Amino acid sequence: EVQLVESGGGLVQPGGSLRLSCAASGFTFSSYWMSWVRQAPGKGLEWVANIKQDGSEKYYVDSVKGRFTISRDNAKNSLYLQMNSLRAEDTAVYYCARDPPNYGGNSDTWFQHWGQGTLVTVSS
Amino acid sequence: SYELTQPLSVSVALGQTARITCGGNNIGSKNVHWYQQKPGQAPVLVIYRDSNRPSGIPERFSGSNSGNTATLTISRAQAGDEADYYCQVWDSSTPVVFGGGTKLTVL
Repeated sequence: EVQLVESGGGLVQPGGSLRLSCAASGFTFSSYWMSWVRQAPGKGLEWVANIKQDGSEKYYVDSVKGRFTISRDNAKNSLYLQMNSLRAEDTAVYYCARDPPNYGGNSDTWFQHWGQGTLVTVSS
Repeated sequence: SYELTQPLSVSVALGQTARITCGGNNIGSKNVHWYQQKPGQAPVLVIYRDSNRPSGIPERFSGSNSGNTATLTISRAQAGDEADYYCQVWDSSTPVVFGGGTKLTVL
């Protein structure tokens, strides 16, 4: 069974940093692209970033470029999101999600497997 | 950037058919994916590539896509179908785009 478990969320002041983690199990983590998707309180879903199997390609939504960094450690079956210069508008539940099999990057994708999410609150 | 438009809310009588639309410029040329999200839970994929159901999703859920509108159809609506529904596409400019979501109420 595919499992994705996020951690690392919490309360942080504007301008601060936070690192989210996502522990994957039940599948060959190193064979899949992985994504982060967020949802602000009471709002819709917003894709944040994704990363290729070997970490050599990464894509970001414009609003986080230069502030967030997606990374992975295939030996630890883990996905990360380093968030710097956080703003109030980054407040959201952050989900990690698995891209589909045979996804080649920068093409059609969808998310069949999601974690339960971790809440990030940016406030003074 | 590419935009997807969904109605804020849709209501359906118990046992009847609900249709949730997702509008976008020439969306028929893209693959559309649909998610169901209940309060406090992660989204669940219910339709991928316009009309394909993942394993475990009831046949009551179906999808279509043509022109400028994609549609998620839920037949024989049940109380358990009450949820928010989101459409999603890939676009080279964004690249992953979600619609704003539709709240389905089963009366």
